[in-house]
Amino acid sequence: KNEVEQSPQNLTAQEGEFITINCSYSVGISALHWLQQHPGGGIVSLFMLSSGKKKHGRLIATINIQEKHSSLHITASHPRDSAVYICAVGMDSNYQLIWGAGTKLIIKP
Amino acid sequence: EAGVVQSPRYKIIEKKQPVAFWCNPISGHNTLYWYLQNLGQGPELLIRYENEEAVDDSQLPKDRFSAERLKGVDSTLKIQPAELGDSAVYLCASSLGGLAGPGEELFFGEGSRLTVL
Repeated sequence: KNEVEQSPQNLTAQEGEFITINCSYSVGISALHWLQQHPGGGIVSLFMLSSGKKKHGRLIATINIQEKHSSLHITASHPRDSAVYICAVGMDSNYQLIWGAGTKLIIKP
Repeated sequence: EAGVVQSPRYKIIEKKQPVAFWCNPISGHNTLYWYLQNLGQGPELLIRYENEEAVDDSQLPKDRFSAERLKGVDSTLKIQPAELGDSAVYLCASSLGGLAGPGEELFFGEGSRLTVL
């Protein structure tokens, strides 16, 4: 069992739909990162959170430390949101980041 | 403010040839990371620097890979000789560093895509 699991692996939706990507982890963490990677592009950090909820524009990230679960939501999705979204956790004990496999999101116009 | 800058963006070489990648982190960032990313997979850490010191190079294949970060700013990652299996994207990232550890935000470069023929 992977220490960081994301779901779904692939998600295709229509423009305007509300999107949810989930991340579950099994280790003690100091912080959880949500990152975005466009095809052929570099990785962009979207959020880093250790508790509660953060919002930036149409993106919302939540984390439940007790349940070891985080969600990334996209409201009013747009084709330019099409990318791979990656969850990565920073462990309590060291600096290592454990990466999820990513969720490939396609938003159709 | 400029982000993390990497070069070259793309490199195609024949196997057994050497290759080098360069990274300029965000100004003031003490921690620098080199990651390897294979297609469809998450990044794998190769080496982490705190200033000029390599504090973790346990995942770096030292028979052919080497890295340096002179003066604690720019860094280079070298492969000599390259093998077919080295084809991947090499990502550089930086963070402020210090005691913040894994709770720090990472800033990534665009990556250097290597193709070994």
